[in-house]
Amino acid sequence: GQQLNQSPQSMFIQEGEDVSMNCTSSSIFNTWLWYKQDPGEGPVLLIALYKAGELTSNGRLTAQFGTTRKDSFLNISASIPSDVGIYFCAGPISSGSARQLTFGSGTQLTVLP
Amino acid sequence: DTGVSQDPRHKITKRGQNVTFRCDPISEHNRLYWYRQTLGQGPEFLTYFQNEAQLEKSRLLSDRFSAERPKGSFSTLEIQRTEQGDSAMYLCASSFVREGTEAFFGQGTRLTVV
Repeated sequence: GQQLNQSPQSMFIQEGEDVSMNCTSSSIFNTWLWYKQDPGEGPVLLIALYKAGELTSNGRLTAQFGTTRKDSFLNISASIPSDVGIYFCAGPISSGSARQLTFGSGTQLTVLP
Repeated sequence: DTGVSQDPRHKITKRGQNVTFRCDPISEHNRLYWYRQTLGQGPEFLTYFQNEAQLEKSRLLSDRFSAERPKGSFSTLEIQRTEQGDSAMYLCASSFVREGTEAFFGQGTRLTVV
């Protein structure tokens, strides 16, 4: 089945630093999604990407849909303590508007004061 | 609160018991999804409904798992004869039937089978 590979698996950064993480797949995706999950909570949607090459921002977060449609990147600028959490990339298992999603295994982000 | 609501938030059960979880989606959303998440992994899709119709259930983990959405509103996920390997977070999400609309997740039900 479709598998999403996220890297790095974990990151430790100083507050104020920029962060970059990525997600790759062996299959083409028409949509890339980035979610953040806090401990004991459900994932929260951060950014949705629908077109190859698209670059979308949400505050300090910027994500890009790779031109090959097999990868995506998420950048966080000027990190703050509340950025701590697990970041997941996700894409639809099938075509159409239904959100049967496959997820990567996540990037655990720790922000040190 | 107008988000996706799941009940209970935590459930501890003995091996072999049956458990049922409830999900109340965002009220205007036609589609409802169930996912399972084990420690250190991303959520894994199980099944979904469009209104009351269960449109995909081939990814339910075994015949011990079943889901219903009888009136197209709330949904239940039942696990019969629980096993220790069923211990996980069970997440519900909902969305519109429309291109470019994404799914919103509930807070999940954490199941521990002892």
